[in-house]
Amino acid sequence: DAKTTQPNSMESNEEEPVHLPCNHSTISGTDYIHWYRQLPSQGPEYVIHGLTSNVNNRMASLAIAEDRKSSTLILHRATLRDAAVYYCILRDRTGSQGNLIFGKGTKLSVKP
Amino acid sequence: NAGVMQNPRHLVRRRGQEARLRCSPMKGHSHVYWYRQLPEEGLKFMVYLQKENIIDESGMPKERFSAEFPKEGPSILRIQQVVRGDSAAYFCASSPATVYGYTFGSGTRLTVV
Repeated sequence: DAKTTQPNSMESNEEEPVHLPCNHSTISGTDYIHWYRQLPSQGPEYVIHGLTSNVNNRMASLAIAEDRKSSTLILHRATLRDAAVYYCILRDRTGSQGNLIFGKGTKLSVKP
Repeated sequence: NAGVMQNPRHLVRRRGQEARLRCSPMKGHSHVYWYRQLPEEGLKFMVYLQKENIIDESGMPKERFSAEFPKEGPSILRIQQVVRGDSAAYFCASSPATVYGYTFGSGTRLTVV
């Protein structure tokens, strides 16, 4: 399975933008880039996913490098509620890979 | 839409007892996944099921653990003869198909005393 590399932790100030990087140099042409996050004592929740083009939704934006070997999850204005572990995961778009494989993720701390 | 429902939220068992964890997927979702998260560790895949079928159980311990997803009713993760090392949060997720993202439940926190 193609792997991802993320920093172990990051800090942000409240109401400032946050850029969470992810490297996936062995990504294949059929891999989607998925982001999930896990708030303390909760199950993971879906954030966003993309293939080639940048994506926006109400939670975040996903910026994908032209060569697709890296991506960045952007939280436009961090809130205290955004403190969580963020996971970047590759998922084959053909559905041949049945399960999501979670790495260690990036633990985001948000300071008031 | 009630989302993925897991129960109980908290479960305490003595060593040697059985633990049954239930997961009701979202309406219309026929794919169910179970994950385990040990304290201060990441999520580890356990098993992937579709209705009445186990598709991938490569993450399940070989003994004492079993899972099912019957035609009617919730998916059940069963742990026989629990040991202290089974204490963890167990999360269930569902999806309508493998190409889609997952919706996770809030988890069952198992404590073995």
